Formats: sequence, structure tokens, C-alpha cells
Amino acid sequence: AQSVSQHNHHVILSEAASLELGCNYSYGGTVNLFWYVQYPGQHLQLLLKYFSGDPLVKGIKGFEAEFIKSKFSFNLRKPSVQWSDTAEYFCAVNARTAGNKLTFGGGTRVLVKP
Amino acid sequence: EAEVAQSPRYKITEKSQAVAFWCDPISGHATLYWYRQILGQGPELLVQFQDESVVDDSQLPKDRFSAERLKGVDSTLKIQPAELGDSAMYLCASSLVGQPDYEQYFGPGTRLTVT
Repeated sequence: AQSVSQHNHHVILSEAASLELGCNYSYGGTVNLFWYVQYPGQHLQLLLKYFSGDPLVKGIKGFEAEFIKSKFSFNLRKPSVQWSDTAEYFCAVNARTAGNKLTFGGGTRVLVKP
Repeated sequence: EAEVAQSPRYKITEKSQAVAFWCDPISGHATLYWYRQILGQGPELLVQFQDESVVDDSQLPKDRFSAERLKGVDSTLKIQPAELGDSAMYLCASSLVGQPDYEQYFGPGTRLTVT
């Protein structure tokens, strides 16, 4: 079975700082990779996804993530955060042989101070 | 924009009582998922439906949890009897089909507190 680990539980940073959230998964086969975001008071929504092709994927709101197959990693980045990026971020993995089942990491709470 | 609807949004119940949650997926979505999210953790899949059939319920505690989607549209998740450890957010999601390329859309969730 696959598992997902997110290294940081809480991150606090100031506006305009750069953000990088780590995500590592354990699964030997082919995977699809996702980052979901949950803003305060809102439901989970997809930020970006990687299925195949260019390992650097761009999502909404200026976020991007890089898939490094050799490191089993899919780290999320944003060069300059805004106060509105305050949210909880979840990395998720779908093993291609497991239908559409998502396995989520534990999440990282990001607080951006104005 | 179409959304997944869930009710109630909050539920407080005493242990040993029965509790039920309802989910209405986005119209036309054949696949429906129930997740449980314990505070401080990521969502964990409990059960997946394709139309009215259960595709995956390997993580569903079947001694106390049950789920149904009788007409292949809306769904109910039931817990009987509730235990203190069931306190969590219960999320419903839907996708057009149950294939990896199809995005899952999440509802607002039902926050359950068992006292």
C-alpha cells in the first residue's frame, strides 16, 4: 500500500517570502500526484496535479510542484506568498493500479503573516 | 458552479447513539467517495461507490459503519453505535468516473463530535 509523508506540520512566514512544502511518497509503481488546498472555512480543492510528462507542473494561484522520481518526491513551491495563501495544504498520491483512490499526507498548515 | 452538498455540517452525539450523514454529489458524477479526516491528519478513504455499487470499502469499520447509495445518486453514511474515537470530519467527494484522470470534488464536510 502507498503512503505519503509531509515533512512540516506547520509553517509560518511573512508575505513575499518563498514557500516550499515537502512531500514524499512510498510506492514502487506508477503514480499520479496531487496537491490539494483547504482555505479557512472552505472545502478541499485541487491546486495542481501531475500525471505524466514535464515533471514541473504549474497550478492555480502561482503554485508549482516538481516531481523527482528518483527521490519519490513532489514538493510544492511558490516564489512569493500572499496573506491569502494561509491555508492547509495536502499532498496526495494515486497509484495507477488503484483506480481513483487517493492516499493523503497529514497536511501542512501554512500561516502567512501580513 | 456545481458543488457537492453535505448535511448536516455539524453533529454532536453521545457515544452509543446512531448518527447519519448525507451527501449529494455533483449531478452526473458516477463515482462517490466518503473520507474521514481526524484532526491533524489527512483524509482517509472509507468507501468508494461506482453508481450504486461499492468499489472499495476496505477501510470501512464494518462492525459499526455502513454506507449506501441506493439509486446511484445521493448517499448516506451511518455509524451505529458511535464511539469517542469517531470524532472527526467526514468528507464526501465525487468524480465523473472512477478513473485516475478525473478530478475528485470535495464537499464542505460534516464535523462529528462524539461525547
